[in-house]
This record gives sequence, structure tokens and C-alpha cells, in this order.
Amino acid sequence: EVQLVQSGAEVKKPGESLKISCKGSGYSFSTYWIGWVRQMPGKGLEWMGVIYPGDSDTRFSPSFQGQVSISADKAISTAYLQWSSLKASDTAMYYCAISTSGSYSRFDYWGQGTLVTVSS
Amino acid sequence: QSVLTQPPSASGTPGQRVIISCSGSSSNIGSNTVNWYQQLPGTAPKLLIYSNNQRPSGVPDRFSGSKSGTSASLAISGLQSEDEADYYCAAWDDSVNVLFGGGTKLAVL
Repeated sequence: EVQLVQSGAEVKKPGESLKISCKGSGYSFSTYWIGWVRQMPGKGLEWMGVIYPGDSDTRFSPSFQGQVSISADKAISTAYLQWSSLKASDTAMYYCAISTSGSYSRFDYWGQGTLVTVSS
Repeated sequence: QSVLTQPPSASGTPGQRVIISCSGSSSNIGSNTVNWYQQLPGTAPKLLIYSNNQRPSGVPDRFSGSKSGTSASLAISGLQSEDEADYYCAAWDDSVNVLFGGGTKLAVL
């Protein structure tokens, strides 16, 4: 059974750094693109970017390029989303998801989400 | 501000057929396939329709998708109370990677 298990909720202050994780199981981790999707409180879904764990090829939405980094450690089947300096506007639920087809807009399996709260 | 435009809300009574639209342009829907997601309250999104009109295993055939030109539609027939959710279309855009529609909140009255 394919599963994506994300790290727990985080409460941070503006300016702090953060790395959240997404651990895949039940499939060959290196062979499917993993993406990250943001959902701000009460708002819709926003595609942030994807990574191919096999070679760490990464693609970003222009809206998120330079704002976050995406990485993956295939040895432990885990992808990461990272911020170097959080802002209050980063408060959101973040989902990881995988595409088994290679289509960046088709996410077949999703993690449960990680809630990030940034507040002073 | 999404460039895939969905109506913010839709509604129907049990048993009815509801259609949710998703309007785009030649750089996204017009030249790429459309996927649809269902997000039940408090849960992660779930893939509902892929490649315009294909259902993943386990999705009831009450759900169907179609695409024509720069627009796509999700139809739900035999509406049930458990269909009350937010629905999102998504497509690759040639300039900005992937776009999601703004989402449609479906109420079952």
C-alpha cells in the first residue's frame, strides 16, 4: 500500500528556519515525482514544486522559486520542504503528493498534511 | 489569483446531477490534460478524475469529466450527501507549471 506520512504540526516565529518531511512507503521512492502543495487557511490549493528523487531534478512554480527549497533523501525515502526565514504569510497546510504518471498536475497519492503556523 | 476559473460554489439535492466548470486558456487547458480533485472537509485532497475523463480505481462512475477547447467540466450524477466537498481542477500551464483552479464548494441540500 502506497503511503506518504508527513511530519507533525509546527509553530514557529517569523525569521526562523524550518524543514518539514514526507516519508514514502509501499512503492519505489526514487521513481516517482514528489510534489508539494500549499493551502492557506480557508483558501485553495497552490502547486509549489516537484522533485524527482532518483536524480533530485527539481521544478518550481515561479511563485515559490527562491522562497522555499525542495530536497529528497532516497536512502530513507523522504522528501523535504524547507524555509530559511519564515514569514507570517507562510502559515498554511502543506501537502506532499506523488505522481505515478510523470504528470506534474496529476497527484495520485497524498500525505495527510503538515500545518505550519508562523506567529510572533 | 488562479487563471483556471471555477465557480466558487455549487449545490444540488440528493439524486440530482451537478456540473462544475473550469475555464482556462490555450496555454493550459487548451493544450494539456485536466485533473480533478475532491477535498472532503478537514482531509487531504484526493484524485477524482485524471487525463480529462479517466477515473482512478475506486472512484464511482457517478463522477465523470470532460474537456472541450479551453474549458473542462466535472459532472456528478446521483448526488449524495457524502459528495459535499471542495472540488479543484488542475492542469499544466506552459508558462507557470501547474495551476489549480480556485475551487468549488459543493453543497448537498
